[in-house]
Amino acid sequence: GDSVTQMEGPVTLSEEAFLTINCTYTATGYPSLFWYVQYPGEGLQLLLKATKADDKGSNKGFEATYRKETTSFHLEKGSVQVSDSAVYFCALSRNTGGFKTIFGAGTRLFVKA
Amino acid sequence: DAGVIQSPRHEVTEMGQEVTLRCKPISGHNSLFWYRQTMMRGLELLIYFNNNVPIDDSGMPEDRFSAKMPNASFSTLKIQPSEPRDSAVYFCASTVGLAGSGELFFGEGSRLTVL
Repeated sequence: GDSVTQMEGPVTLSEEAFLTINCTYTATGYPSLFWYVQYPGEGLQLLLKATKADDKGSNKGFEATYRKETTSFHLEKGSVQVSDSAVYFCALSRNTGGFKTIFGAGTRLFVKA
Repeated sequence: DAGVIQSPRHEVTEMGQEVTLRCKPISGHNSLFWYRQTMMRGLELLIYFNNNVPIDDSGMPEDRFSAKMPNASFSTLKIQPSEPRDSAVYFCASTVGLAGSGELFFGEGSRLTVL
């Protein structure tokens, strides 16, 4: 079945450091791929998405490229801020006569000042 | 604009009691999802509805769990009887249609503690 695997956390970085959170997926066909972010005490909110191979999603300085050949959708940001501290979820969805979004386990990011 | 509204935000109850969680999706959204989040199992899809009809309830853990969507603006998730292992944060999410590229809009969650 469909699945999403993302790197385990927590990830701890200093402010202005470069961020990469790895995400790989298993799915038949052409799923849409997402990164969601969850701040403490809140629900998940969409950070960015890509709907087909080679698309790049970007938002708030974060970006991720849909790589079908490596079944990956790694999240990157060039310079993190303390306010980026949160849990990040990689996810996929596809319409297969039904509709499910499958989430990875989440990666907690701590950014130190 | 109002987002997805869940109630209660926090619930503490004793084992064996009935628990009802409520969700109001975003107006105009016709798909609604219930997720459960725990440290051990992450985010699990319990059930989802499209146009008020349950489409897939394969994630509902056992018969103690039930969900209804009597109209387009309201859904409930009920646990009866509750057990300590049901302690988790329960999220409701909604979106438009069944398109695979759709964004999910989440509520703030209901944190359930069963003693």
